[in-house]
Amino acid sequence: GQNIDQPTEMTATEGAIVQINCTYQTSGFNGLFWYQQHAGEAPTFLSYNVLDGLEEKGRFSSFLSRSKGYSYLLLKELQMKDSASYLCAAMDSNYQLIWGAGTKLIIKP
Amino acid sequence: GAVVSQHPSRVICKSGTSVKIECRSLDFQATTMFWYRQFPKQSLMLMATSNEGSKATYEQGVEKDKFLINHASLTLSTLTVTSAHPEDSSFYICSAFQGDTEAFFGQGTRLTVV
Repeated sequence: GQNIDQPTEMTATEGAIVQINCTYQTSGFNGLFWYQQHAGEAPTFLSYNVLDGLEEKGRFSSFLSRSKGYSYLLLKELQMKDSASYLCAAMDSNYQLIWGAGTKLIIKP
Repeated sequence: GAVVSQHPSRVICKSGTSVKIECRSLDFQATTMFWYRQFPKQSLMLMATSNEGSKATYEQGVEKDKFLINHASLTLSTLTVTSAHPEDSSFYICSAFQGDTEAFFGQGTRLTVV
């Protein structure tokens, strides 16, 4: 079956760095997405990885290892506004997105 | 960047009535749009894939006669919740892909059926 695993909740301190891990099992693979979702709002696209390696985009970076079925989202210089849920989603061979349950990130001062 | 506009953002309707939700890609053409629903504290659940000019593909367990999808043009898909009941109250979100690599989401519609 198809499955996405990510931690339910993480806590970090303002100004610090946090890494949110995601493992996936899909029928075929066409990329790994990360989204940010604030409570009551629609998800916002953060990143897309289809090749192995690290993609850096400002304070956010995303890493992919296809052989390990593993990705992580790295958030640097954390700000209070980064408190949100972070959703990992893998695209299968039919270009359907398989969603993780999301990681709730709590930022403390 | 590409924008997907969803309307309305909030709607309250009486049980038994129908509600239409629109999803528009504002600056790109989207041959495929996706409709999701999200219950509180849960992840997004794909309801159906909307294809321009053809019938939508529904996920298992989603009633196609209850959730009518029309993708009449390359920039507009609509979801109509027919004969709504309180259990249909949820957050509905559409998304569209620009090319194969970026999916953009509408703002979401919070439906409350009373």
